Amino acid sequence: GQQLNQSPQSMFIQEGEDVSMNCTSSSIFNTWLWYKQDPGEGPVLLIALYKAGELTSNGRLTAQFGITRKDSFLNISASIPSDVGIYFCARGGIYNQGGKLIFGQGTELSVKP
Amino acid sequence: EAGVTQFPSHSVIEKGQTVTLRCDPISGHDNLYWYRRVMGKEIKFLLHFVKESKQDESGMPNNRFLAERTGGTYSTLKVQPAELEDSGVYFCASSQGQGTYEQYFGPGTRLTVT
Repeated sequence: GQQLNQSPQSMFIQEGEDVSMNCTSSSIFNTWLWYKQDPGEGPVLLIALYKAGELTSNGRLTAQFGITRKDSFLNISASIPSDVGIYFCARGGIYNQGGKLIFGQGTELSVKP
Repeated sequence: EAGVTQFPSHSVIEKGQTVTLRCDPISGHDNLYWYRRVMGKEIKFLLHFVKESKQDESGMPNNRFLAERTGGTYSTLKVQPAELEDSGVYFCASSQGQGTYEQYFGPGTRLTVT
């Protein structure tokens, strides 16, 4: 119930390509978040999702909270070199009361100019 | 507004030594979290402070780890004695108020135990 399965583990793409990564859980949750970690930095929050079916965009990034509440995906359109980094999905608890985050293993993205 | 800061950025110590990591959260954030990422794995929760109280310490690996947040401002995480498996990047995060999962992370402290 605690673990998140994030895939793929790594991606090597050409600049301009679209990217998709996803995260699944065996249990349902009420909050999904997507973070990005640049080399030598801490994770930075990209998008937070609070409702099943919710689709939210942040620039070229789009994330969706799966209708079953057990999964989420993140899409990056028209990738650029600064998209390089590690993307983590994370989930909150079953109740919207704050507290610890459970993270996926991360997707390492490499973008070739 | 200053973000979450952590000190030191890197620490290399020998097995058996003691190391103390420090985190300064965003001013006014009552919630402070410690996480750890071991090479190539997921970021794992260690513990959560609300002000100076430990709200959840279920992720602390063993009694070699001691976290404090005296006065409800900055926090320290001490590892004593350090073991090889303690190597990794230790992140601190903070958030404001109750009911939010939107946490702001510091740059991390990379700990290497040799």
